[in-house]
Amino acid sequence: KAGVTQTPRYLIKTRGQQVTLSCSPISGHRSVSWYQQTPGQGLQFLFEYFSETQRNKGNFPGRFSGRQFSNSRSEMNVSTLELGDSALYLCASVPTPGQATYGYTFGSGTRLTVV
Amino acid sequence: AQSVTQLDSHVSVSEGTPVLLRCNYSSSYSPSLFWYVQHPNKGLQLLLKYTSAATLVKGINGFEAEFKKSETSFHLTKPSAHMSDAAEYFCVVTGMNRDDKIIFGKGTRLHILP
Repeated sequence: KAGVTQTPRYLIKTRGQQVTLSCSPISGHRSVSWYQQTPGQGLQFLFEYFSETQRNKGNFPGRFSGRQFSNSRSEMNVSTLELGDSALYLCASVPTPGQATYGYTFGSGTRLTVV
Repeated sequence: AQSVTQLDSHVSVSEGTPVLLRCNYSSSYSPSLFWYVQHPNKGLQLLLKYTSAATLVKGINGFEAEFKKSETSFHLTKPSAHMSDAAEYFCVVTGMNRDDKIIFGKGTRLHILP
């Protein structure tokens, strides 16, 4: 069965632009969460979606937003990009939030570089 | 509240020698604990998980971890390191409730010396 798919794998954007990243969870998984990974801050939780609703949100500014579609695919958007937004963005899925104890399955990530 | 501390940011071992990556956690109730591995420019891969069943958990690629409640530890071990084990390892904690967030350790970079 296919894993978690993130597109694109690499992105280069200019400061001030906006970007949209996509995540397709494992078939049957309806909970999708997003993380930002940087060398300085490590892995930080961005937000989690389940049944098209945001359930949890991390401590990120409003420039970071997301949504989930009826087929469980999720997108995250970052507006007015800053140099500090350069990071590896990871997406993970589980069947439902209550099954997080079984372990998340992660995608390979999108490497965003802001210049 | 939950937290997780990985005690070493870097660990170097020679190929064929044992590996020990240390993790301590804090949780006000029974946690679920995981170890993930990340190879360069890749996502995280689940190595093993503890969810209140057996305290000694066996994972993939010969790794195992022991949950010690009295020491609030969940250290990752492997009897004999292989060059392909060189990667970053993350200890992760979450709760049993559906609203619990997942908390990552800062990671331990494992270097394998030939």
